[in-house]
This record gives sequence, structure tokens and C-alpha cells, in this order.
Amino acid sequence: DTAVSQTPKYLVTQMGNDKSIKCEQNLGHDTMYWYKQDSKKFLKIMFSYNNKELIINETVPNRFSPKSPDKAHLNLHINSLELGDSAVYFCASSQDTENTEAFFGQGTRLTVV
Amino acid sequence: DAKTTQPTSMDCAEGRAANLPCNHSTISGNEYVYWYRQIHSQGPQYIIHGLKNNETNEMASLIITEDRKSSTLILPHATLRDTAVYYCIVRAGASGSRLTFGEGTQLTVNP
Repeated sequence: DTAVSQTPKYLVTQMGNDKSIKCEQNLGHDTMYWYKQDSKKFLKIMFSYNNKELIINETVPNRFSPKSPDKAHLNLHINSLELGDSAVYFCASSQDTENTEAFFGQGTRLTVV
Repeated sequence: DAKTTQPTSMDCAEGRAANLPCNHSTISGNEYVYWYRQIHSQGPQYIIHGLKNNETNEMASLIITEDRKSSTLILPHATLRDTAVYYCIVRAGASGSRLTFGEGTQLTVNP
């Protein structure tokens, strides 16, 4: 049973398209995140939700819109995709916002052509 | 969150201990030291974390100096599967739990 699962694993799409990445965790955690890892391998946080409420929103273009229908799901919708959006996107979850470890999904490799 | 400094890369022989250093000289009193690793093409994996005392779990040991300005992650018997990028992260408990990843250390375990 995968603790944090993302779909799809790979996504190739054309510029200008709109796409979504889904994330689900079965750990009963309250907090979920989206991280982006660019071609230089830097991992940066994009968003964090706690109990379905947005608590971290880094400097991310508003073409990126996270949605948390319930505590177990945090989806990422991206409008008007650009070449620079190509990256690996990781979903993660943790018990809460305090000092607990985060569990990461296997990532979604997005390629915009 | 405090900035950390790690060597870019390290090598270790299989079966030997791997000691990965991290400097965090500007760490604050309420900041914890976390270690994660990322095996190629996988998501980051939590290893261990600590505040002041040394910590040990089934994966590794964390040694934090008395002044808390540096720490060492120890993998007691490195295997080929431990080849990965290791990240040392310092964060406060009430930081909204963001993890700020640096460049990490590429550990290569050689047969």
C-alpha cells in the first residue's frame, strides 16, 4: 500500500494546455504539500495545506492552483502550461505542521513541449 | 530557517560507515536538524531528526555538537542502496513545517 501516491507518473503536454496532477495519502495526516524539483535538482516548496486550509503559498504563478477536496487529497491544477513548468512535482504529507517527518510521493515528471 | 552547508560529494566503501557532515552555524534554539535523502528518480525519504541530543534509529545515527553549530549523519554499514543525495535541513517547529532543501551531498557507495 503506497502511503503517498501521485498520478500520473509522467505527463507530456503542449504549451498552453491545462493539466492536473492528483495526490492521495492514506496515512491519516493533516498536512499535505506540493514541491517542485527543477532541472538543476533544487527542491522548492510550492504549497502547503493543513486540514484542507492553505497555509503556505510560495511565490508561485497563479496559473498553479492547488485544491484539497478533503484531508487525504491535494491536487495541483496548472493552467496555460509554459516550457519553464517542466519539472518533477512531488506531493508530500506529514502528521501536522510541527516536528514530524514528511512522506513524499514518487513524483510526477511534467514535460511541456 | 537556518542555512546549512554540506560537501558536494562523498565516497564510501560498501560495508564501512558513512559520515556525512553538515554545518549550521546560525541555528536558533528552537530549530531542529533534519536529514532526508533522495535516491535517484525517487521522492525524498526521511531519515532522522534531532534538537540537541544524539539520536539513533534503524536507518542512521545523528550526532549534534554541543554548540549545535554542526551535525553528522552516520550510516553505520553503508550499502550500495545508500547511494543518494543526502540533505541536511534546519527548521523551526512552528514554521508551517516547510522543508527548505539545499544542494545536499551526493554520497556514492562503492563496491
